Amino acid sequence: GAVVSQHPSWVICKSGTSVKIECRSLDFQATTMFWYRQFPKQSLMLMATSNEGSKATYEQGVEKDKFLINHASLTLSTLTVTSAHPEDSSFYICSALRRGGNQPQHFGDGTRLSIL
Amino acid sequence: AQKITQTQPGMFVQEKEAVTLDCTYDTSDPSYGLFWYKQPSSGEMIFLIYQGSYDQQNATEGRYSLNFQKARKSANLVISASQLGDSAMYFCAMREAFNTGGFKTIFGAGTRLFVKA
Repeated sequence: GAVVSQHPSWVICKSGTSVKIECRSLDFQATTMFWYRQFPKQSLMLMATSNEGSKATYEQGVEKDKFLINHASLTLSTLTVTSAHPEDSSFYICSALRRGGNQPQHFGDGTRLSIL
Repeated sequence: AQKITQTQPGMFVQEKEAVTLDCTYDTSDPSYGLFWYKQPSSGEMIFLIYQGSYDQQNATEGRYSLNFQKARKSANLVISASQLGDSAMYFCAMREAFNTGGFKTIFGAGTRLFVKA
């Protein structure tokens, strides 16, 4: 089945540093990639949608300059949390979608980010 | 604006019995897709079932079925013959298409299901 690899799975860093999270679709081309944030015991909050050939579309309230998304190719998307602070600590999950609206999204295993 | 509502924060079901998890949605777009995902305590998201807005029949996948009532804008998940391994968080999600050709998917708050032995 389709596999989405997300790296790193866990990162701890100091406040003020930038952290890059990678999301790769290993055996299919992802025309759309989604980035979600999940707080403990809560739902997935959509941060941004990145479609093939266009810039990421950010959800209301998500800072574009804070959370930089690059959909470099049809198999790779990156989320960079710039100048991270403790309030950015969370579980970040990427998801990739093949072409076609009725396909299920394939999720990465998530990245647990802890900012000290 | 699109919206997904799951009104049951937690549900208990006896092993081998059926359980229904509720989901209602709100959209003005005639074309959309509805999904259910399972998230065990380990955190990964597992796709369960899909229903398209134009599908005439309710979707079924093994022990999972989706009770799609379009006029009521509800897409309830029915799990038959519950198993202990079904204990997890369940999310309802809706996907719409952008005019530009992309997609957007949002998730409901989730329902935590506990299966009792």
